[in-house]
Amino acid sequence: DAKTTQPPSMDCAEGRAANLPCNHSTISGNEYVYWYRQIHSQGPQYIIHGLKNNETNEMASLIITEDRKSSTLILPHATLRDTAVYYCIVRPPNTGTASKLTFGTGTRLQVTL
Amino acid sequence: NAGVTQTPKFQVLKTGQSMTLQCAQDMNHEYMSWYRQDPGMGLRLIHYSVGAGITDQGEVPNGYNVSRSTTEDFPLRLLSAAPSQTSVYFCASSNYGAETQYFGPGTRLLVL
Repeated sequence: DAKTTQPPSMDCAEGRAANLPCNHSTISGNEYVYWYRQIHSQGPQYIIHGLKNNETNEMASLIITEDRKSSTLILPHATLRDTAVYYCIVRPPNTGTASKLTFGTGTRLQVTL
Repeated sequence: NAGVTQTPKFQVLKTGQSMTLQCAQDMNHEYMSWYRQDPGMGLRLIHYSVGAGITDQGEVPNGYNVSRSTTEDFPLRLLSAAPSQTSVYFCASSNYGAETQYFGPGTRLLVL
């Protein structure tokens, strides 16, 4: 699986958009970009994933660059409850080894008043 | 649906003791897996299963055994606990063809 690089920490004011970057310069053509987050002491929670098109769901938006070497997770209106560690993960599509997610150290997002 | 449940929530062991961490899911998911998370680090895969009767090793399998006799349950056994196994353990499950993994609340293990 391709490796990812994320900043160790970021701050965001409540109500503002939080933009979390991820570099994955060695991504392969069939590998997806996934985002999970882990709120303190809880199990990770799936947020969103995408291949090459931008994606949006009720939680966030995912912007993937045209060359697919980087992406940005956008939380449009961050709240205090969004304070968590955010993990960017790159892996092939679900082909029988779906259980294998490789987590790095992620970005610790602190949302402040 | 209870989702993914894990027991116990907390456990203290002495070096050399054995124990089983329980994981169950009620979503009829084929895939289940175990991760450990050490302080300040990401999750590392211990073992995983793609269905009943089928298991395989992950990144850090040494010192742990698993079995998958039913779709619902995926217990993790520590044969002889060591202080290096002090960690938080997460179980996860997902459906074949689905991209979302569901994680349990975790078991915090301290080995003295």
